[in-house]
Amino acid sequence: GQQVMQIPQYQHVQEGEDFTTYCNSSTTLSNIQWYKQRPGGHPVFLIQLVKSGEVKKQKRLTFQFGEAKKNSSLHITATQTTDVGTYFCAGPGGATNKLIFGTGTLLAVQP
Amino acid sequence: EAQVTQNPRYLITVTGKKLTVTCSQNMNHEYMSWYRQDPGLGLRQIYYSMNVEVTDKGDVPEGYKVSRKEKRNFPLILESPSPNQTSLYFCASSFTGGQPQHFGDGTRLSIL
Repeated sequence: GQQVMQIPQYQHVQEGEDFTTYCNSSTTLSNIQWYKQRPGGHPVFLIQLVKSGEVKKQKRLTFQFGEAKKNSSLHITATQTTDVGTYFCAGPGGATNKLIFGTGTLLAVQP
Repeated sequence: EAQVTQNPRYLITVTGKKLTVTCSQNMNHEYMSWYRQDPGLGLRQIYYSMNVEVTDKGDVPEGYKVSRKEKRNFPLILESPSPNQTSLYFCASSFTGGQPQHFGDGTRLSIL
């Protein structure tokens, strides 16, 4: 079946360093979504990308959708302790468009 | 305020004792879904519902039941809970399938 993989599983950075997580789907996606889950919290929707090659920015976060619409990345510039959490990508799959989540990347930021 | 409400937030129970986790959304969303989250395994879908009276299995449906009698409610039922169902459960909803989802705060179940 369709799979969505994320790497790395875990990343530990010093505050101020950059961070990138990558998402790869086994099939072409109509859209890709990114979510953030703070420790002890629930996933919160960040952004949706729809077009091939699309790039969107939210302050220090840059999201990219690949040309083939099978991969995506999230880049955080100059991480802060508030960026700590698990970042998930997700894309619709199957005939019913159910959302398939990647395995997530846990980001730890050391002050 | 737009929200997905799950109850209870925490529950410790024993093997075999039937339990229901309720989920309600106030956004008039058609699509609702249940996930379980376990360390290292991410979010795995248990069941989902495209609309009232329409439900389907996700990736890990064994041991669970759901119903969707009303648009706003989507309860998760564990008829005979077992320890391997100890997990963190999330309910989520969206306008339609494949669209951004709103998540509830989660229910942490411990089955002894």
